[in-house]
Amino acid sequence: DTAVSQTPKYLVTQMGNDKSIKCEQNLGHDTMYWYKQDSKKFLKIMFSYNNKELIINETVPNRFSPKSPDKAHLNLHINSLELGDSAVYFCASSLGGGGGSPLHFGNGTRLTVT
Amino acid sequence: AQSVTQPDIHITVSEGASLELRCNYSYGATPYLFWYVQSPGQGLQLLLKYFSGDTLVQGIKGFEAEFKRSQSSFNLRKPSVHWSDAAEYFCAVGPIQGAQKLVFGQGTRLTINP
Repeated sequence: DTAVSQTPKYLVTQMGNDKSIKCEQNLGHDTMYWYKQDSKKFLKIMFSYNNKELIINETVPNRFSPKSPDKAHLNLHINSLELGDSAVYFCASSLGGGGGSPLHFGNGTRLTVT
Repeated sequence: AQSVTQPDIHITVSEGASLELRCNYSYGATPYLFWYVQSPGQGLQLLLKYFSGDTLVQGIKGFEAEFKRSQSSFNLRKPSVHWSDAAEYFCAVGPIQGAQKLVFGQGTRLTINP
């Protein structure tokens, strides 16, 4: 009964490859996010979708493209992977998109680019 | 700009001792404030939140936090820690720019001595 689930949990790939991370939530939330956690544990938002509409798009390279086929799913596709993309990527969801609704996080995808 | 500072990168306490983790924020209005906990290999779990009202808020796992506007602080406390409390703790403030976006502190790693 995982609330926010992401796959895969680990992803090891070479520079230049393209990879995707999938996220699904069964909480009935209408807002979903991608956060990046770097090696120093610093968390920074990348994208946010509300009812399939992109509402937050931080300064992220164009190689990162989120896609939300419906409000329960938010996937992240990364083209031409670089060493600096190595991090833990967290998917999260919340109810509502304009207030302080708490975020519910997935367990993360550890991406290692070699 | 909105920001969160957690002055202590790493804290070690003995099991059964009291705990206080510090969080200072910079925000132009009354913020929403959150504390999250991250266990190794896991996503972030909400411990407690402050939106308005009583400045002392109770959370899960016996944690509490106090909002002090005059000090721009939202410190997390627990009267007696357990070995299972060893984790990374993150303070966060939002919403940012009217959007459902949080800014996180850099985290405090808590180690428990037996």
